[in-house]
Amino acid sequence: DAGVTQSPTHLIKTRGQQVTLRCSPKSGHDTVSWYQQALGQGPQFIFQYYEEEERQRGNFPDRFSGHQFPNYSSELNVNALLLGDSALYLCASSFNVGSGANVLTFGAGSRLTVL
Amino acid sequence: EDQVTQSPEALRLQEGESSSLNCSYTVSGLRGLFWYRQDPGKGPEFLFTLYSAGEEKEKERLKATLTKKESFLHITAPKPEDSATYLCAVLDSNYQLIWGAGTKLIIKP
Repeated sequence: DAGVTQSPTHLIKTRGQQVTLRCSPKSGHDTVSWYQQALGQGPQFIFQYYEEEERQRGNFPDRFSGHQFPNYSSELNVNALLLGDSALYLCASSFNVGSGANVLTFGAGSRLTVL
Repeated sequence: EDQVTQSPEALRLQEGESSSLNCSYTVSGLRGLFWYRQDPGKGPEFLFTLYSAGEEKEKERLKATLTKKESFLHITAPKPEDSATYLCAVLDSNYQLIWGAGTKLIIKP
């Protein structure tokens, strides 16, 4: 059973460019969350998607946007890249049980470097 | 402001030397506390969930405990394969996960 898969694994962009990261959730999961993890730090919550809608959002600017497709896969888009956007972007999936402490299954991440 | 602090930042132990990692939190309306393990180049991997003070969970050489202000991850007789970064996260009253910065554990053979 495949877990969470993310693509690409690594990418390099320049300031001002746009990037799209992709995530396929674990089989049976319907909720996708995106996190940004800077080197030596814990993950920072960007947003969560359920039933193709953004359900929750962390403290990130509108340059960060996302989408969830009918097959539960998801994309994270970042516009007008800044040097500070360099980080590991993690996708996590879970099974929605309403409000609750859901266990997350993480992918290996997409390492974004902005030059 | 909700906050999660982990200590120490890094811990080096000899194989077999037991110790504990700390996760202290200031969160309104704790709904759960999670421990994850993260290996280099990988995403975090779930270890435990604790819901209320006094609760304990065990898995192999790891035991997690919870009080009203902090959680401990006790590691007994660790092996080199236990080397990883251990992350603590708290689910707040808005059902958002607040993460600590992690403790990097190195077990020397």
